[in-house]
Amino acid sequence: NAGVTQTPKFRILKIGQSMTLQCAQDMNHNYMYWYRQDPGMGLKLIYYSVGAGITDKGEVPNGYNVSRSTTEDFPLRLELAAPSQTSVYFCASSSRAMNTEAFFGQGTRLTVV
Amino acid sequence: AQKITQTQPGMFVQEKEAVTLDCTYDTSDQSYGLFWYKQPSSGEMIFLIYQGSYDEQNATEGRYSLNFQKARKSANLVISASQLGDSAMYFCAMREGRGTGGFKTIFGAGTRLFVKA
Repeated sequence: NAGVTQTPKFRILKIGQSMTLQCAQDMNHNYMYWYRQDPGMGLKLIYYSVGAGITDKGEVPNGYNVSRSTTEDFPLRLELAAPSQTSVYFCASSSRAMNTEAFFGQGTRLTVV
Repeated sequence: AQKITQTQPGMFVQEKEAVTLDCTYDTSDQSYGLFWYKQPSSGEMIFLIYQGSYDEQNATEGRYSLNFQKARKSANLVISASQLGDSAMYFCAMREGRGTGGFKTIFGAGTRLFVKA
């Protein structure tokens, strides 16, 4: 009954450091997404994937990288962290069917200082 | 280009009254889906309701209904009989079909709803 699992839940990074946000889903969903949500704002799509080995840029991809080697996992890599990347990051997954909702992880609160 | 617009940053409603949250969208695809999500202060994303572009009837789920006007490209959420627990952020989202959008789902900026006792 896990759904979408994100780790870590909280992280503080120093400027210039790198880190990987982990995301795993156990629902055999083809589609996976990474969003960021700045305080009081909506969700902005960073990257998405329609299946293993296939990824594409979203609205705000700069400063991030992703990979999708398996159906279950969709890690998000931050290289050279900047204060502008301070945000809450959500991973989500959904099935192929148009009428199915996205299932979200609990989010990762990242602060870059 | 794919776009979702929510023009109401904040809304107030009296408990037990109905409220409408606005959402307009832009897409060149004929096949798309529209979603509403609720985000309480705890931060999780809760799916509320879905409307497909080819659905002729407005979607309903309990106290939630979607006023879908395809020609105007609007998909407003109506919450009936508001409850204190409805106080939250509400997001409209759109997922495109097999067009240039590539199945991605994008979100609007959200509307914060405050329910008054």
